[in-house]
Amino acid sequence: GENVEQHPSTLSVQEGDSAVIKCTYSDSASNYFPWYKQELGKRPQLIIDIRSNVGEKKDQRIAVTLNKTAKHFSLHITETQPEDSAVYFCAAGRSGGSYIPTFGRGTSLIVHP
Amino acid sequence: GAVVSQHPSWVICKSGTSVKIECRSLDFQATTMFWYRQFPKQSLMLMATSNEGSKATYEQGVEKDKFLINHASLTLSTLTVTSAHPEDSSFYICSASSGSRSGYTFGSGTRLTVV
Repeated sequence: GENVEQHPSTLSVQEGDSAVIKCTYSDSASNYFPWYKQELGKRPQLIIDIRSNVGEKKDQRIAVTLNKTAKHFSLHITETQPEDSAVYFCAAGRSGGSYIPTFGRGTSLIVHP
Repeated sequence: GAVVSQHPSWVICKSGTSVKIECRSLDFQATTMFWYRQFPKQSLMLMATSNEGSKATYEQGVEKDKFLINHASLTLSTLTVTSAHPEDSSFYICSASSGSRSGYTFGSGTRLTVV
């Protein structure tokens, strides 16, 4: 089955700095890679995703990059704000048929004002 | 967009009692529903996958007799924690899928505290 590793487990940055979270996956058949943001006590919310036929995707201050050969993908947040503080999860899965994502262990991002 | 409702949002129960958690897809038919358990500051641990009208598939280490899952319709799945104990206290989250990645949506979660 799929195995997703996520690093770091905790990331502390100053407001305005950039934050990068990295994930690796093991199943070369995985072709869909979403990122979720989870605030304390709330459900994970999809913030950005990327498919395997794309190397990079950007949405305002958030971007995701994918290296299929190396089987790793990263989340980049620029100009961080205190409200970006949350736990971020990466996931990987096969989008065809029944989609069941495998989640990383999560990264607790703390943005200091 | 796809909306998944989960109830209750929090529940406190006594040891030995059973608790039922409901997960409903409000605007789409969920062919598959998933139940996760999440401990503080940890990731989502998949407990089981259920398809409408069939028995749930449990992940290794998850007691099927303790965590009863029913997926009787395309819009409703329930998780019943039977004979709850304090170690069952956790955040339980469901998700529902229409079969494609774009139809994968989380419920709002249930905080279970067993005293």
